[in-house]
Amino acid sequence: DTGVSQDPRHKITKRGQNVTFRCDPISEHNRLYWYRQTLGQGPEFLTYFQNEAQLEKSRLLSDRFSAERPKGSFSTLEIQRTEQGDSAMYLCASSPDYYNEQFFGPGTRLTVL
Amino acid sequence: AQSVTQLDSQVPVFEEAPVELRCNYSSSVSVYLFWYVQYPNQGLQLLLKYLSGSTLVESINGFEAEFNKSQTSFHLRKPSVHISDTAEYFCAVSPEGRDDKIIFGKGTRLHILP
Repeated sequence: DTGVSQDPRHKITKRGQNVTFRCDPISEHNRLYWYRQTLGQGPEFLTYFQNEAQLEKSRLLSDRFSAERPKGSFSTLEIQRTEQGDSAMYLCASSPDYYNEQFFGPGTRLTVL
Repeated sequence: AQSVTQLDSQVPVFEEAPVELRCNYSSSVSVYLFWYVQYPNQGLQLLLKYLSGSTLVESINGFEAEFNKSQTSFHLRKPSVHISDTAEYFCAVSPEGRDDKIIFGKGTRLHILP
């Protein structure tokens, strides 16, 4: 088991461009979470999948953001028409059902110029 | 809704000295409580958690935290810190039974001074 992996680790983009991040959870973990972390803040919940079903979305997730987990394994988070305020660390976590612990990946740092 | 307050953004402490990182929470329902740690250039990892039972919980590397319901606190302590404890520590809360809904505090950066 190699843990939760995220790709890319760093992304620099220009305002207005679209970006897509990938998260590979620990195998057989049903649940997958996306968080955003800005400087000086703790992780803020964005969205959550149980297998392939997206069960909850935060109000932080504007209509420019979309997340998918098509086969209940890896997930992608896409941001369309990026803005400078989207600059942050995007964290992915996974867990088995009812385990009371989330396992985090190393994050993808997004910088929007 | 739940919220978490970590009163100190940074805590400097000399090596081998004791440390306490403060955490207070707000919730109208019973909660689970967590401390996560983020070492430099690494992902968040669970340090310890309180779900039920004994209010004092311990980690494998010498940290402990005590759940105090009357004071709505879950402070993290270690009697003697090591340089390897340098990290950012996040207190977190979830409604009891809702381990999918974790709310994090802003974090406390622990600086170990030689």
